[in-house]
Amino acid sequence: GQQVMQIPQYQHVQEGEDFTTYCNSSTTLSNIQWYKQRPGGHPVFLIQLVKSGEVKKQKRLTFQFGEAKKNSSLHITATQTTDVGTYFCAGPNSSGGSNYKLTFGKGTLLTVNP
Amino acid sequence: DAGVIQSPRHEVTEMGQEVTLRCKPISGHDYLFWYRQTMMRGLELLIYFNNNVPIDDSGMPEDRFSAKMPNASFSTLKIQPSEPRDSAVYFCASTRSGGGGFEAFFGQGTRLTVV
Repeated sequence: GQQVMQIPQYQHVQEGEDFTTYCNSSTTLSNIQWYKQRPGGHPVFLIQLVKSGEVKKQKRLTFQFGEAKKNSSLHITATQTTDVGTYFCAGPNSSGGSNYKLTFGKGTLLTVNP
Repeated sequence: DAGVIQSPRHEVTEMGQEVTLRCKPISGHDYLFWYRQTMMRGLELLIYFNNNVPIDDSGMPEDRFSAKMPNASFSTLKIQPSEPRDSAVYFCASTRSGGGGFEAFFGQGTRLTVV
């Protein structure tokens, strides 16, 4: 079945350093979404990418969708302690289901040392 | 809008007992999802509904799990009998179709501990 893999599993940085997490799908995706989950919280939608090669920015966060629509990345510039949490990518399940049935990656847990 | 509302927030029960988790989706959302989150397996989709109809329950672990959506504003996930390996955080999420977006709005989750 479809697999969505994220690396790294964990990342610890000093405040002010940059951070990147990568997401790879075993199948081509019609779109990809990113979520953030704070410790003890619930996943919160960040962004959706649809077009091949698309790049979107939200303040210090830059999201990219690969040309083949099988991979994506999230880059945070100059991390802050408020960036702590687990970042998940998610794509529609390719097993004939609807675009609303998502497969989530295992996530990257980011910790920031002040 | 109050967002997706789940209850209870925490549940501790003994093995063999029945557990019922509840969810109220965002008004106007026509998709509802139940997820389970564990350290080992991450976020797993258990079942989802569209317009109150179960569409895909292939993620439901076994017959001990059942879910219902009697109307557009309420859904339950039931585990009977519960086992220690069911301990996890269970999230409900809802989505509104159309508009080009597929984002899911998650509830706060129910942390279930089966002892």
